[in-house]
Amino acid sequence: DARVTQTPRHKVTEMGQEVTMRCQPILGHNTVFWYRQTMMQGLELLAYFRNRAPLDDSGMPKDRFSAEMPDATLATLKIQPSEPRDSAVYFCASGLGQSSGNTIYFGEGSWLTVV
Amino acid sequence: AQSVTQLDSHVSVSEGTPVLLRCNYSSSYSPSLFWYVQHPNKGLQLLLKYTSAATLVKGINGFEAEFKKSETSFHLTKPSAHMSDAAEYFCVVSGTGGYNKLIFGAGTRLAVHP
Repeated sequence: DARVTQTPRHKVTEMGQEVTMRCQPILGHNTVFWYRQTMMQGLELLAYFRNRAPLDDSGMPKDRFSAEMPDATLATLKIQPSEPRDSAVYFCASGLGQSSGNTIYFGEGSWLTVV
Repeated sequence: AQSVTQLDSHVSVSEGTPVLLRCNYSSSYSPSLFWYVQHPNKGLQLLLKYTSAATLVKGINGFEAEFKKSETSFHLTKPSAHMSDAAEYFCVVSGTGGYNKLIFGAGTRLAVHP
């Protein structure tokens, strides 16, 4: 049963610490997304990769956030330094191809709390 | 620009009664539309999608949605609600720019009462 895998599932950290979230997309998928979900803002797109290249990170705060794909099986989202306002659920999603009708599959999320 | 509006933030129904979750979209071209469901503390699961084929789309768990271009709507329905349907539902339109950027509605929380 193919699925998007995210780690850690839950993370509590202190303000100022570095946080790294990891995502393993579904094998063979060449598009990867990072979304952030909060009560106030709902679901926001942070970054988008196609064939490991970042194509859209306009939704990501550049001063503290960074997203990479070291290889086709791993995507990372890093926050340094973390702040309480970064507390949210971070979802990774993957898909195949670039057609607008292609299904995007979501992981179960990384629940981040910054205190 | 594309956008999607979910007309109800909360819907409450009794078990066994019909479900209607309303969604309107705005798009300058023929869109792809999706409904995703999110159960508490879980990720998002695809219920169904419309991609310019049949306008009535059947999904999982007895849900279906009808694409109505004249009304720019893509409402989600189910004939008979089950307790396990209680969740948050997101209407989504696929964006432009040559890739499948998903634009989410604000979500509708469905409560099902015995």
